[in-house]
Amino acid sequence: EPEVTQTPSHQVTQMGQEVILRCVPISNHLYFYWYRQILGQKVEFLVSFYNNEISEKSEIFDDQFSVERPDGSNFTLKIRSTKLEDSAMYFCASSPSTDYEQYFGPGTRLTVT
Amino acid sequence: GQQLNQSPQSMFIQEGEDVSMNCTSSSIFNTWLWYKQEPGEGPVLLIALYKAGELTSNGRLTAQFGITRKDSFLNISASIPSDVGIYFCAGQSGGNTGKLIFGQGTTLQVKP
Repeated sequence: EPEVTQTPSHQVTQMGQEVILRCVPISNHLYFYWYRQILGQKVEFLVSFYNNEISEKSEIFDDQFSVERPDGSNFTLKIRSTKLEDSAMYFCASSPSTDYEQYFGPGTRLTVT
Repeated sequence: GQQLNQSPQSMFIQEGEDVSMNCTSSSIFNTWLWYKQEPGEGPVLLIALYKAGELTSNGRLTAQFGITRKDSFLNISASIPSDVGIYFCAGQSGGNTGKLIFGQGTTLQVKP
């Protein structure tokens, strides 16, 4: 069964460093998303991406964040200068259309020290 | 912004019991999704609902899309130990972005 994959599973970085989180969405899906979950809290929307453009972003997704689909399979989230409060689980998701189910990857645990 | 209120926050039940949890919102949603999350993993889709009044089952799980489009419930019948986890509702209000709004989650513990 097709699934969303994410790498790395755990990333430790120092405050101020840049990190890139990688995702491979399900191959025939067209819509891609990043969500964040701070430990013990609910899942929060960060950004949606379609046709090589951001279609919506939340207020969390400020100028330090960017997304890219560098090739036909990968979808990346970059945080330019990490802050302590960026420590969280980051989930990638994909769907074939906007009003259809979204499938989530296993997540990347980002720890900023 | 839009918010979902999910209840109860946690449940501790005996194996074999039925479980019910629900989500309510002050605004309308076009799609309701129910996910289960286990520690250190991503949310796994359980049931998707697309029409007001729709009742859908997936094994021992049953979910309904409220007729007002502002609520949904999930029932688990005859619970087993592997049902343990956090259950999240998520709503999509339409538009062309697919953004999901998540509830706060219901933590389920099952005593064998």
